[in-house]
Amino acid sequence: AQRVTQPEKLLSVFKGAPVELKCNYSYSGSPELFWYVQYSRQRLQLLLRHISRESIKGFTADLNKGETSFHLKKPFAQEEDSAMYYCALNYGGSQGNLIFGKGTKLSVKP
Amino acid sequence: ETGVTQSPTHLIKTRGQQVTLRCSSQSGHNTVSWYQQALGQGPQFIFQYYREEENGRGNFPPRFSGLQFPNYSSELNVNALELDDSALYLCASSPGDSQETQYFGPGTRLLVL
Repeated sequence: AQRVTQPEKLLSVFKGAPVELKCNYSYSGSPELFWYVQYSRQRLQLLLRHISRESIKGFTADLNKGETSFHLKKPFAQEEDSAMYYCALNYGGSQGNLIFGKGTKLSVKP
Repeated sequence: ETGVTQSPTHLIKTRGQQVTLRCSSQSGHNTVSWYQQALGQGPQFIFQYYREEENGRGNFPPRFSGLQFPNYSSELNVNALELDDSALYLCASSPGDSQETQYFGPGTRLLVL
């Protein structure tokens, strides 16, 4: 069965420190993976997706099929990065068929 | 260009009642997906509508049903409400191409007593 696991409920780092938000998935097909972010009092929004291979707000994520992982990384965390981060897997042809992880709350302290 | 809107923002119902939640898609979007987000959990896919037809469904019972209208606005209906239906209900719209991003609404928070 398809599954997305985010092992950390909360990740707390100091400003300027590196950040890695972990995401592991279980899927027998060719995965399409995303990171969504929800800032305080804002709606859920797409941060990045693996097919774009882009860097958004300094964040990157590499799909590792061998380890079935899609960890989100940023070399230097900023206070404005504090938010809820969700990893999601698209298991159907449409982007609507997303399976989300439970989310990791990132807290960046000054 | 207006974003995705949802109504109402909050709702309280009692067990056994029925509820209708509404979503207005972003301009130009013909696909809408609905998600349920329980407290402390990630969103769970309920179903998707594309051009007024159901286009995929998650693991939810038939008492969760939906509609999409010609103007691409959408409704989520839940019959025979149960306590566990208490959650934030999100809708997301997209232009219809599978490669396009979904845009989420702010959600409707439903409390079932």
